[in-house]
Order: sequence, then C-alpha cells, then structure tokens
Amino acid sequence: QKEVEQNSGPLSVPEGAIASLNCTYSDRGSQSFFWYRQYSGKSPELIMSIYSNGDKEDGRFTAQLNKASQYVSLLIRDSQPSDSATYLCAVKGTSGSARQLTFGSGTQLTVLP
Amino acid sequence: KAGVTQTPRYLIKTRGQQVTLSCSPISGHRSVSWYQQTPGQGLQFLFEYFSETQRNKGNFPGRFSGRQFSNSRSEMNVSTLELGDSALYLCASSLASGITYEQYFGPGTRLTVT
Repeated sequence: QKEVEQNSGPLSVPEGAIASLNCTYSDRGSQSFFWYRQYSGKSPELIMSIYSNGDKEDGRFTAQLNKASQYVSLLIRDSQPSDSATYLCAVKGTSGSARQLTFGSGTQLTVLP
Repeated sequence: KAGVTQTPRYLIKTRGQQVTLSCSPISGHRSVSWYQQTPGQGLQFLFEYFSETQRNKGNFPGRFSGRQFSNSRSEMNVSTLELGDSALYLCASSLASGITYEQYFGPGTRLTVT
C-alpha cells in the first residue's frame, strides 16, 4: 500500500465549478499536510498547509483534514482555466523516515472554459 | 525576497560520469531538502540538510550524496551515473528542520543521462 494515495485523474471540471481533490495517507503519526500545484514543466508550488482537523480557507482554496479517517482534501472554488495543473498532496510525520515530505502521485486537473 | 535557485537548469551527462548540482535557499532559510522526480516514481525524497548536517536520508544508493555549506547553500553529487538517474532534481528550502516548516521548491535541474 502506498503511503500517500491520490486519485490520479484526470479530473475535468467546467470553469466556475468546484474542483475536489482527495488524498489518503497510511501513517497515523502524520502531523503536517501540504498541497502543492505543479504546472507542466515547472516545479511544485506550495498552495496550502494544514495541521489541525477541520477546514482552512485561503482565497478560493479550502483544505480539509480528518486525522481519524486519515483523509485530507483540497477544494478549489470558482475554478479557472489557470488552475489546470497537477495537484500533489504531501504528508510529513514525526518519526524516522516519516519526518520528510512524502508525496502522492498527484491528481491532474483540467478546467474547461 | 528571491526564491530558491538551482544551477545548472539543464545537464546532459554520459553513463559512468559524475555530476554536481547546486542549490541556494531562500535568504534566511537554513534547511535544504533534495528530491528526485520521475514520471514513473513521482517525487521521492533524497536527503535533508540543516546547519551543515544531514538530518534525514531517503532510500537511494550511496552514489547519491550531498553537503551543505555554512551559508546554507547545498550541493548534491551523483557518481557513476546510470540511465535511470535521468530525472528532474528539485531542491526545497525551509526556515528550519521540523514537521511544521513549509518547504519551497526551486525550479529544478533537468538531468539527462545518455
């Protein structure tokens, strides 16, 4: 079982819709959760971090964390064509090799005009 | 504030050669982590340096090594290159080493091994 799993997609949504990206992780000791956006041919760009259960909002982005279900999600409201990218979920734990960022394989999002 | 810089941006090497990649973190950031990104394996952690000390290491062979200097700049070295080492090598910096510190990536070095 992969440590961090994401739906590989591709996920297509129309412009103006809500895009929902999901991520599950296997290490119950995970403490920090991050969402990165990566455009084709570019490096990952940090868009959200979340550490506590619940929702965290930043502009059109909302991250949701449920540690009991080992689940973290990213909602993008009013999706724009410029949001078309691969979204990477990353998790960081507290012990041993889990102290580094472990990435999922990414979900490719396409926002259709 | 300037972002993370990496040099060179592109590199072509031959099997068996060695290569050194460089990373300058965001000003004030003292932790540097290195990752390898390939289409098949995704983003994989190589190692992390903080205060010139390796704090964490991923599951890569000993051909992959790194170091950090007193000004927080970091280098990674790959010896005896193999075709499978072709990848995008990413450096990320953070203020310090710890689970809550956010990491910011540089543009990467695209290494092609022929």
